[in-house]
Amino acid sequence: AQSVTQPDIHITVSEGASLELRCNYSYGATPYLFWYVQSPGQGLQLLLKYFSGDTLVQGIKGFEAEFKRSQSSFNLRKPSVHWSDAAEYFCAVGGGYQKVTFGTGTKLQVIP
Amino acid sequence: DAGVTQSPTHLIKTRGQQVTLRCSPISGHKSVSWYQQVLGQGPQFIFQYYEKEERGRGNFPDRFSARQFPNYSSELNVNALLLGDSALYLCASSLEQGLYEQYFGPGTRLTVT
Repeated sequence: AQSVTQPDIHITVSEGASLELRCNYSYGATPYLFWYVQSPGQGLQLLLKYFSGDTLVQGIKGFEAEFKRSQSSFNLRKPSVHWSDAAEYFCAVGGGYQKVTFGTGTKLQVIP
Repeated sequence: DAGVTQSPTHLIKTRGQQVTLRCSPISGHKSVSWYQQVLGQGPQFIFQYYEKEERGRGNFPDRFSARQFPNYSSELNVNALLLGDSALYLCASSLEQGLYEQYFGPGTRLTVT
């Protein structure tokens, strides 16, 4: 069965600092991988996705993620965090003709 | 272009009642998926509909049902509500059957008392 683990429930970073959110997945084949962001009371917005090809994926809002097959990881990064990035971030695996499974999310707090 | 819309925004129901949630996909999108997001958790897949047929179902009881209409809008029905059904219900639309890129609506917040 496919699964996603986001080991960090809550992360606090200073504005302007770099960010890395961790994601580990379990999937029986080559995975489709996604990162979504959810602001309070809102739906999910797709930040980026990986299907194949270059393992470093660029997304919206200055985010990027790197697929590492050997580590079953798809960590999200941003070089300099802005206060508006405070939100909850979800990693997901699946898609294509398979259901999408989400992790439990990482809440990001940004302090001045 | 309008995004995915869902109605109502909020809903309060009593245990044992039935509820219907509605979703309109992005124009031109033929697939609608439903997710349940319990507070503090990630979304969990309930159903996918494509061209008015069920194409996928998550691990939810038969109290949950859905349908898709000829205009590709969709309804999610939940019967015999339980307290544990309290959640944010998200609808997502995608262009085709493959879930390569989903666009989510703002959700319906259901509270069961």
